[in-house]
Amino acid sequence: QQQVKQSPQSLIVQKGGISIINCAYENTAFDYFPWYQQFPGKGPALLIAIRPDVSEKKEGRFTISFNKSAKQFSLHIMDSQPGDSATYFCAASIGGSARQLTFGSGTQLTVLP
Amino acid sequence: DTGVSQNPRHKITKRGQNVTFRCDPISEHNRLYWYRQTLGQGPEFLTYFQNEAQLEKSRLLSDRFSAERPKGSFSTLEIQRTEQGDSAMYLCASSLGGQRKTQYFGPGTRLLVL
Repeated sequence: QQQVKQSPQSLIVQKGGISIINCAYENTAFDYFPWYQQFPGKGPALLIAIRPDVSEKKEGRFTISFNKSAKQFSLHIMDSQPGDSATYFCAASIGGSARQLTFGSGTQLTVLP
Repeated sequence: DTGVSQNPRHKITKRGQNVTFRCDPISEHNRLYWYRQTLGQGPEFLTYFQNEAQLEKSRLLSDRFSAERPKGSFSTLEIQRTEQGDSAMYLCASSLGGQRKTQYFGPGTRLLVL
């Protein structure tokens, strides 16, 4: 079954701290792993994505770490800011970004000022 | 900015009624996707189009659901004989073709079935 498991369900971090969200998958055919950020009343927006041929990708304060053998990937938000408070979804797809995305259940991040 | 737009943004209907939602993708995006998101969950894939052709359909898309993209531009999602379990946010996304093209999501249509 195509499923992506995400944890934790909610996360509270102090301003300036590191936020870490984890995801695990079963289907080894997945070959594209994006993270989406969603604010209340808005649709999800792509934050950063990785393919399984690399173990890490960094864009500004956001880093994806990918462990192919463990079938796990995680999002690290460095120097977390109150403006980062949102719901974060990991996702995966087969055949790249143009195919259907299978999403995790989401992590509600709160960054305290 | 011509992002993905969806109408209406909110819809309240009574059980058994039919509803139709519209999605206008980013211009020149030939792929269009529909997802459903329930409270506290991630979006679930329903179907996607490449131009006017519907290429994939999820098992979630029961025979009460139908989606069209007649001219390869905007799309409609119709739910017939709505049930309370259909209450959800219906999200539309679009992308250019190709494996490395991002899916851009619209703001969604929130449906409440009473």
